[in-house]
Amino acid sequence: KQEVTQIPAALSVPEGENLVLNCSFTDSAIYNLQWFRQDPGKGLTSLLLIQSSQREQTSGRLNASLDKSSGRSTLYIAASQPGDSATYLCARDSNYQLIWGAGTKLIIKP
Amino acid sequence: GAGVSQSPSNKVTEKGKDVELRCDPISGHTALYWYRQSLGQGLEFLIYFQGNSAPDKSGLPSDRFSAERTGGSVSTLTIQRTQQEDSAVYLCASSLARANEQFFGPGTRLTVL
Repeated sequence: KQEVTQIPAALSVPEGENLVLNCSFTDSAIYNLQWFRQDPGKGLTSLLLIQSSQREQTSGRLNASLDKSSGRSTLYIAASQPGDSATYLCARDSNYQLIWGAGTKLIIKP
Repeated sequence: GAGVSQSPSNKVTEKGKDVELRCDPISGHTALYWYRQSLGQGLEFLIYFQGNSAPDKSGLPSDRFSAERTGGSVSTLTIQRTQQEDSAVYLCASSLARANEQFFGPGTRLTVL
């Protein structure tokens, strides 16, 4: 069974801290890995997509890495802000079907 | 440009009724996906359309669920004889092609009483 695990399930940190969210998956035969954020009652916003041939992607204060051999991806958020508070989901693309982690609920305290 | 749109945003129905959920993908995107997000279940894949190819229906939970995509654009997800366990947020996504970045609509929150 293909599984995606996200640790921690919840995280609360003071504003300004750098933080790392973890995502692990059991099958290294992936096409790509995508990170999303979801705000309460809202849809999903794509943050970063890492192709299987890539090691990392960066967008502003966000950096996502991918290590297929160990089945891990990390999302690094620099200089966190209260507006970063949301649930962060990773999903591996198994050909076209996204297999989802349960998410990390992030709270940034002002 | 316009993103993925879905309608209705909310739907409340009685058990046993049929419902139709609509998705308008981003113009030019050949791939369209339906997912479901339930409390306690997380996100799960339902169905995938790619161009004019036969859809992958492997994620549909029962034969009460069906979907079509007309003209390679708009898609409709139909749930017949709704049950309370069908209550969830139904999310549609589209991508330029298979295995490309998926962009999601705001979802339809379905409540079956």
